[in-house]
Amino acid sequence: AQTVTQSQPEMSVQEAETVTLSCTYDTSENNYYLFWYKQPPSRQMILVIRQEAYKQQNATENRFSVNFQKAAKSFSLKISDSQLGDTAMYFCAFTIYNFNKFYFGSGTKLNVKP
Amino acid sequence: NAGVTQTPKFRVLKTGQSMTLLCAQDMNHEYMYWYRQDPGMGLRLIHYSVGEGTTAKGEVPDGYNVSRLKKQNFLLGLESAAPSQTSVYFCASSWSPDSFQETQYFGPGTRLLVL
Repeated sequence: AQTVTQSQPEMSVQEAETVTLSCTYDTSENNYYLFWYKQPPSRQMILVIRQEAYKQQNATENRFSVNFQKAAKSFSLKISDSQLGDTAMYFCAFTIYNFNKFYFGSGTKLNVKP
Repeated sequence: NAGVTQTPKFRVLKTGQSMTLLCAQDMNHEYMYWYRQDPGMGLRLIHYSVGEGTTAKGEVPDGYNVSRLKKQNFLLGLESAAPSQTSVYFCASSWSPDSFQETQYFGPGTRLLVL
């Protein structure tokens, strides 16, 4: 069975500081993709960053980067220079090679304080 | 390029009424999905489709039906709405054979209130 666990229901960070959101997953597959989605109060699900499991290099998108540890099945999201607009729910997700199902964690609510 | 759109954005139903939620995508995606999101919870998959004319059950399919008559559209039906179906419904799509695009893209959501 494929599962995704986000153990931090809620986190807070001061504006301009760095925060790391944790995610672990379980799968017996070797080929898969990992994602972080952001859901602001508008409810729109927005893709933040994606990582191919076969790539050792960690993905980076501007202030967002991941720490992908395949052996440990860990996929954490680091947000640098946090901004007020980063306040949102963040969901970790993955899909296996045939892409027809996605597995989501329960989410981490991030609050960026001024 | 509108991406994924959902109609309507908000609806109030009485118990026992029926309705259909429409999802449309213009990215030539093969796979489409319907999720529900309840307060404080993540996304739960209701039904999904891996191609035109095909549908499959997700983890919470009871009380819902779906149809994918056209590749770009995925309809979610509630035959007899119940208060337990009060939720926010998200449609998503993924996988384009043109671009090998595995990322899932979401619509803006439909908020449904069943009284």
